Amino acid sequence: IAGITQAPTSQILAAGRRMTLRCTQDMRHNAMYWYRQDLGLGLRLIHYSNTAGTTGKGEVPDGYSVSRANTDDFPLTLASAVPSQTSVYFCASSDSAGSHADTQYFGPGTRLTVL
Amino acid sequence: GQNIDQPTEMTATEGAIVQINCTYQTSGFNGLFWYQQHAGEAPTFLSYNVLDGLEEKGRFSSFLSRSKGYSYLLLKELQMKDSASYLCAVRDSNYQLIWGAGTKLIIKP
Repeated sequence: IAGITQAPTSQILAAGRRMTLRCTQDMRHNAMYWYRQDLGLGLRLIHYSNTAGTTGKGEVPDGYSVSRANTDDFPLTLASAVPSQTSVYFCASSDSAGSHADTQYFGPGTRLTVL
Repeated sequence: GQNIDQPTEMTATEGAIVQINCTYQTSGFNGLFWYQQHAGEAPTFLSYNVLDGLEEKGRFSSFLSRSKGYSYLLLKELQMKDSASYLCAVRDSNYQLIWGAGTKLIIKP
């Protein structure tokens, strides 16, 4: 089934630990995004990639890093997790970052708790 | 700064009509999106407006006025399954989506 998958579904992590959230899409979309969603706030963009081999910083990039080695995968790494990174993380993809009709499609999310 | 405003919560009755408003102030405008998000699930795309006017798609319609920085989502013939959060997002001059906090819609029988 075409779409976006994320792993793990949920995770409890000790502060200071390193963690990689995985995201894979099979729609051959050029652009991919990582958001965090916190209660009472809108989705906030962490990092994005307009095409394989390129990445950019979003609104809240500190403490996170990404890579885009190929079209399908866009992992998000927390180098040293802190409690303020407790959130629900969504990966999304879109066919093109520049076209007017571009629409983002979301993965099921990863619920991360940092203690 | 950039800002998207929508009501935090609304309540409506099954079978009725509800209008969810969204006002925005962004650096540039390259389209407005509405997404639906059921509790514990991912946002799913509902509608896209880039020109002024009404876009109708079944029971859902979305309206845009660029001069007023205003949009609304209109849901008709409400069903219990429409209970969800509705997210308004504007694509700015950098083609990044700026998201509102969402409106939680509660449908009562």
